Amino acid sequence: NAGVMQNPRHLVRRRGQEARLRCSPMKGHSHVYWYRQLPEEGLKFMVYLQKENIIDESGMPKERFSAEFPKEGPSILRIQQVVRGDSAAYFCASSPQGATEAFFGQGTRLTVV
Amino acid sequence: GESVGLHLPTLSVQEGDNSIINCAYSNSASDYFIWYKQESGKGPQFIIDIRSNMDKRQGQRVTVLLNKTVKHLSLQIAATQPGDSAVYFCAENISGGTSYGKLTFGQGTILTVHP
Repeated sequence: NAGVMQNPRHLVRRRGQEARLRCSPMKGHSHVYWYRQLPEEGLKFMVYLQKENIIDESGMPKERFSAEFPKEGPSILRIQQVVRGDSAAYFCASSPQGATEAFFGQGTRLTVV
Repeated sequence: GESVGLHLPTLSVQEGDNSIINCAYSNSASDYFIWYKQESGKGPQFIIDIRSNMDKRQGQRVTVLLNKTVKHLSLQIAATQPGDSAVYFCAENISGGTSYGKLTFGQGTILTVHP
């Protein structure tokens, strides 16, 4: 049973470009969460999605950031017109319906140059 | 705003010693707590959890203690090994809804185990 898969593991983007981060949840998991981790800090909640629905996006920046979890395929975190302050590790977690434990992927480390 | 925080940012111990990592939380509505271990370059790994209707829970070499009176959480690691070296995060959640994976994390404690 594969764990939460995130790709790419490392992503370098120039300022102004778009970054697309992908997350495939564990098999059977219908809930996906995205977190951001700045260097030397804890993880900060960004968004919670179920299939085709955004349930809670209270942690998402108001502009340039969007997330989706389509009926088929991975969840996507999209960052438009990246700036250096977007450089961070972005983690995805998944859980099955009604579960209290979320399993994390290995993260995507975004570097904006 | 309310948050979860840690008392000590770093902890160094000798192999074989017991380690205690502390965490304070401020949201009295939180009723579910998790400890995660994060090794360099990896995602957080679940260690142990506890609900607010419990004071103590034990796992393999780990024990979590919850003191709701002072809003304090601790992780005890018995016979610490070099492989335990990592950053440890506490996280809190407010259950009762469907956002079980929506966690508030503390800043983390770096545990270094010397052979």
